[in-house]
Amino acid sequence: EAGVAQSPRYKIIEKRQSVAFWCNPISGHATLYWYQQILGQGPKLLIQFQNNGVVDDSQLPKDRFSAERLKGVDSTLKIQPAKLEDSAVYLCASSLPGSFEQYFGPGTRLTVT
Amino acid sequence: DQQVKQNSPSLSVQEGRISILNCDYTNSMFDYFLWYKKYPAEGPTFLISISSIKDKNEDGRFTVFLNKSAKHLSLHIVPSQPGDSAVYFCAASPLNTNAGKSTFGDGTTLTVKP
Repeated sequence: EAGVAQSPRYKIIEKRQSVAFWCNPISGHATLYWYQQILGQGPKLLIQFQNNGVVDDSQLPKDRFSAERLKGVDSTLKIQPAKLEDSAVYLCASSLPGSFEQYFGPGTRLTVT
Repeated sequence: DQQVKQNSPSLSVQEGRISILNCDYTNSMFDYFLWYKKYPAEGPTFLISISSIKDKNEDGRFTVFLNKSAKHLSLHIVPSQPGDSAVYFCAASPLNTNAGKSTFGDGTTLTVKP
């Protein structure tokens, strides 16, 4: 069974530029999560999708971050414009509906200079 | 306000000995708890979980203990192996309609010395 795929693995941009991350969850996993993990901290939930609908985006900085999950499969997370404090690893995870166990992708390490 | 706390950033143990990783939580709405293990440059992987109706769950070398009155859980690894060296995250979830939404601690880096 293929795991959660993410791309790119690394990205370096300058502040005020925009960036997008892509995630392909495990087949059949209706629930998809985006997390931000700052160095030395645990993953912090940004947004949770159930199929193509948003379940929770209470911690998503909506003035600069956006996410979509068209067709209920792949998802993209965008930052526009980026700030220095956005430097972090962005993790995508998926799970079966109602399951607590999440399967994580390898993450995208973003560096904003 | 950090709702899930792992107060020990790091732990070092000798191979073959017991590793004990601790986690405290403040939100009484949390009813399901998970431990994830993370190797460098990889995403976290699920290790073991426990529901609040239990006080212990065991899976091979890994045992999680839950003390709900103290809002404390611990992960025991016996015997510890060098391959267990990783960052361990404690996570907690409420048993409500949004099952799956987990709040993570900041992790404990375990080093198992040969």
